[in-house]
Amino acid sequence: DTEVTQTPKHLVMGMTNKKSLKCEQHMGHRAMYWYKQKAKKPPELMFVYSYEKLSINESVPSRFSPECPNSSLLNLHLHALQPEDSALYLCASSQDLSAAENTEAFFGQGTRLTVV
Amino acid sequence: SQQGEEDPQALSIQEGENATMNCSYKTSINNLQWYRQNSGRGLVHLILIRSNEREKHSGRLRVTLDTSKKSSSLLITASRAADTASYFCATDASGGSYIPTFGRGTSLIVHP
Repeated sequence: DTEVTQTPKHLVMGMTNKKSLKCEQHMGHRAMYWYKQKAKKPPELMFVYSYEKLSINESVPSRFSPECPNSSLLNLHLHALQPEDSALYLCASSQDLSAAENTEAFFGQGTRLTVV
Repeated sequence: SQQGEEDPQALSIQEGENATMNCSYKTSINNLQWYRQNSGRGLVHLILIRSNEREKHSGRLRVTLDTSKKSSSLLITASRAADTASYFCATDASGGSYIPTFGRGTSLIVHP
C-alpha cells in the first residue's frame, strides 16, 4: 500500500465553523507533512511531524491546528478561517526526515477547501 | 519560501515532440526531485536525483543536475497528450532534513 488517503476531498465551511482534515498512511512512514496550495502556485509547507512530534511550523496562523494522534494519522483542525484560506490542502509522508535515506515523498489527492 | 524556480512557466507543444523544463535553485541541496500534478490534485513523484549524481533516466524522463550552476533540467521525450500537467522541482530545505520545498512550476500542454 503506497497510498496517502485524505478526507474529505472537498469541504465548504463558514468562517465560524470548526472542521478537521484527515490524512492516513500505512507505509510505516515516520515523517508527515501538511502543505497549502493556492491556484496556479506551488505547494507551500505548513507543518512537519517527525515521529509523531511537531518538528516544523512555518509560522502558520493559530486558526490552523495540526495533530498527529499516532504514526499513521495526521489531522489539521480548522477554526475561524478566512476566505483567503481557501486552497488545496495536501498531506504527504516520507520514510523519515533523513535526507540521505529518502527516495520520495508520497502525496495524497488533497482536500479542496472553500471558506465562505 | 520557494527554493526552485522553473523555466519556462508555461510550455505548449505537439504530441511526439520533446519537452524540456529547467529548474534553478539558490542554496546547496541534498536531493532534487521532480513531481507532476494533474488538474490541481495530488502530486506524483517522478524522479529524485542526489547532489552527487549528474544524470538519471526513468522511462521517457531524463533529469540532469548541475550543482555548480545550481540548476536541473527535466526532459520528456516523445511527449503524449497524457503528459499535460504541471511539473514542479523540489529541493531539500537546508540543514540536511528531507523536506521538499517546491519551485513555482511549469505548466505543460501537449496537443494531440
